[in-house]
Amino acid sequence: AQSVSQHNHHVILSEAASLELGCNYSYGGTVNLFWYVQYPGQHLQLLLKYFSGDPLVKGIKGFEAEFIKSKFSFNLRKPSVQWSDTAEYFCAVIRMDSSYKLIFGSGTRLLVRP
Amino acid sequence: DVKVTQSSRYLVKRTGEKVFLECVQDMDHENMFWYRQDPGLGLRLIYFSYDVKMKEKGDIPEGYSVSREKKERFSLILESASTNQTSMYLCASSSLRTAFRNTEAFFGQGTRLTVV
Repeated sequence: AQSVSQHNHHVILSEAASLELGCNYSYGGTVNLFWYVQYPGQHLQLLLKYFSGDPLVKGIKGFEAEFIKSKFSFNLRKPSVQWSDTAEYFCAVIRMDSSYKLIFGSGTRLLVRP
Repeated sequence: DVKVTQSSRYLVKRTGEKVFLECVQDMDHENMFWYRQDPGLGLRLIYFSYDVKMKEKGDIPEGYSVSREKKERFSLILESASTNQTSMYLCASSSLRTAFRNTEAFFGQGTRLTVV
């Protein structure tokens, strides 16, 4: 079965530190990849997405992610985090075959200390 | 803006009750999803539907069923609620018929269900 792994469950950083959250998926075919963010008390929002083309994608609020097909990875990065980035981050994958199931990782809780 | 609306924000039900969670989207999306969100487990797919009257099981369908009689509405049914179904339930929708096969999903605000 397809799976999405986020290895960091809790991350604590100080403001201005750099961030990298790992995401790996297990399916070898064509995929669409997403990072969603959930701020405290709010609903899920799309941070960025990859469908095709340039494997380095830029999203909102200074986030970016790099798709490395050979490693089945789609890691999220931000050079300098802010206190307002405190949230839970979810990686998600859609298999572009007949299933089109949207599968999520277990999430990473990020706490940024002022 | 795409809107995905879940009928209730908070629900409290008794063990054994039949529970209906309703979700409506206004963007003519083909795909609709039901997830439950639990701390440390992320979002787990319960069921999804890719067309009216079509449904597929997700990863944790046991104890749940769904109904999609109209394209805009996707209902999740707990046949006999149990305490281990206490959770946050999220509905989402997406479309395949957009440029570049944009499969971005849009989420509702969630329903926090407590079964006592």
